[in-house]
Amino acid sequence: QKEVEQNSGPLSVPEGAIASLNCTYSDRGSQSFFWYRQYSGKSPELIMFIYSNGDKEDGRFTAQLNKASQYVSLLIRDSQPSDSATYLCAVLSGGYNKLIFGAGTRLAVHP
Amino acid sequence: ETGVTQTPRHLVMGMTNKKSLKCEQHLGHNAMYWYKQSAKKPLELMFVYSLEERVENNSVPSRFSPECPNSSHLFLHLHTLQPEDSALYLCASSQDRTGGAGANVLTFGAGSRLTVL
Repeated sequence: QKEVEQNSGPLSVPEGAIASLNCTYSDRGSQSFFWYRQYSGKSPELIMFIYSNGDKEDGRFTAQLNKASQYVSLLIRDSQPSDSATYLCAVLSGGYNKLIFGAGTRLAVHP
Repeated sequence: ETGVTQTPRHLVMGMTNKKSLKCEQHLGHNAMYWYKQSAKKPLELMFVYSLEERVENNSVPSRFSPECPNSSHLFLHLHTLQPEDSALYLCASSQDRTGGAGANVLTFGAGSRLTVL
């Protein structure tokens, strides 16, 4: 069983719409969850992290965490073409400093 | 220099060669990491160092040998690699202090693209 699962996409949304990216994880003891964005040919960069159940907002981005369902999501409001990238979900799991990544969801925002 | 710097950015080597990847962080972080990124696969954690001590070796073949001489520098020594080892190798660092998720936020370097012929 994969430890962190994401739909590979591509998820295609029109400009100005809300993009919803989802992630599930297998380790029920996981405490911290991260969303990274990776543009083609670039390295991942942090969008935000969350560790409490509920919502956390940062600008156009909202992370949602439901530990009971082992589910974390990222909403991007007012999507822009510049948001087109692969979005990586990562979970702090198991051993010391062990951040496990999903395979990523490719998002395409079209004008 | 700021952030996390990796050299070389591109490397082509034969299966019998020996080469090294270098990573340097200028963030004052205490933990450093090597990840492997292959096409269509999740980032794979290879090694974790905290305060120059290796704390994680994620079942990586011995043809990959890490070295962390101090908290700012990390190397990955490569020898007798296989074509399937061709990938993007990403170095990252984090604060590695107690106090919540913020300490585990990774800052990545630009990566070293390795091709094994």
